[in-house]
Amino acid sequence: GNSVTQMEGPVTLSEEAFLTINCTYTATGYPSLFWYVQYPGEGLQLLLKATKADDKGSNKGFEATYRKETTSFHLEKGSVQVSDSAVYFCALNKGSNFGNEKLTFGTGTRLTIIP
Amino acid sequence: DTAVSQTPKYLVTQMGNDKSIKCEQNLGHDTMYWYKQDSKKFLKIMFSYNNKELIINETVPNRFSPKSPDKAHLNLHINSLELGDSAVYFCASSQGQFANEQFFGPGTRLTVL
Repeated sequence: GNSVTQMEGPVTLSEEAFLTINCTYTATGYPSLFWYVQYPGEGLQLLLKATKADDKGSNKGFEATYRKETTSFHLEKGSVQVSDSAVYFCALNKGSNFGNEKLTFGTGTRLTIIP
Repeated sequence: DTAVSQTPKYLVTQMGNDKSIKCEQNLGHDTMYWYKQDSKKFLKIMFSYNNKELIINETVPNRFSPKSPDKAHLNLHINSLELGDSAVYFCASSQGQFANEQFFGPGTRLTVL
């Protein structure tokens, strides 16, 4: 079956540090890949996505590249801010039928940025 | 204007009770979902509906019964609540094709005492 493995947290960084959160996946065929972010007390929001190999998703300074050869979709940001503190989820979607879109999530990585 | 809304935000109840959580989306999407997030933040899909038809049912106990009166609403009814049902329940919606973004509601924190 499909699965997503992401870096165990929690991760604590100083403001302006470089961030990498690793994510690898197992799926047949060509899934779409996503990073979702959950701020404290809120629901999940899509951060970025990539739908085919070598695509790069980017948003709010975050980037991730769909690497089929390594089955990875690592999240990076060059300079983190306190406001980036949240839980980050890597996910894949391997629906094949209309209405069968099923997101499989990783376990989430809690990120805390200290001033 | 809230895209996906859920009520209530918090629900505290005793074991054995029956409770419902309501979800509404105003995005015009045709697919809606229920997810359960446990205390370790692990998220797992429970159900999905497309145009009021059940599409995904992920081996959830039959004490959980989703109901979709129309495309904009997907409610979750839980019978005979158990301690292990304590979690945050998220509703989500999307439109069509599998690459599309899912929009999540703010969650309902259910605590069973």
